[in-house]
Amino acid sequence: KQEVTQIPAALSVPEGENLVLNCSFTDSAIYNLQWFRQDPGKGLTSLLLIQSSQREQTSGRLNASLDKSSGRSTLYIAASQPGDSATYLCAASGYSSASKIIFGSGTRLSIRP
Amino acid sequence: DGGITQSPKYLFRKEGQNVTLSCEQNLNHDAMYWYRQDPGQGLRLIYYSQIVNDFQKGDIAEGYSVSREKKESFPLTVTSAQKNPTAFYLCASSPEGGTGYGYTFGSGTRLTVV
Repeated sequence: KQEVTQIPAALSVPEGENLVLNCSFTDSAIYNLQWFRQDPGKGLTSLLLIQSSQREQTSGRLNASLDKSSGRSTLYIAASQPGDSATYLCAASGYSSASKIIFGSGTRLSIRP
Repeated sequence: DGGITQSPKYLFRKEGQNVTLSCEQNLNHDAMYWYRQDPGQGLRLIYYSQIVNDFQKGDIAEGYSVSREKKESFPLTVTSAQKNPTAFYLCASSPEGGTGYGYTFGSGTRLTVV
């Protein structure tokens, strides 16, 4: 059974710093790995999706990497801004259309001005 | 604009009551999902549906029921059998089930037992 873990649960950094959020998964047979952002009391917004055949995806100041052999993905945020403050969740999808995506519990990120 | 609408945003339930949370999408997505989110626990799948008139239990289906009579609608009923219903409930949809592509979430319903 796939398990997705995110450590740490919370992170606080000063504005302008580059930072890395971590995600680990137990079953390397994933179809894709996705990073979501959740603002307080809101739904989730997809940020980046990495297919199993890819190593990374980039969107603006965000870069997500995938290493299936080690069961890890990272989300790199460059030049952090207070507006980046949110909870970031990763989610792994299996190959079966009947499978469900499995979410990590998230990392709550706070960017200090 | 295409999207998912959840209502109400806040809901209060008395002990022993059934309540129904609404989820409507106009994205023409086949698959729809209900998740429960508790502080520090991420999202747990309650029910999902890949096609009209068909749905499957997720990891925590006990005390909940759903229907999928229309492609656009996937209401969730929290029954009195759910002993700890206070949580944030999120509805999502995707073009097809399970692959993770095109997941779109609603803005959630916060349910509180009073």
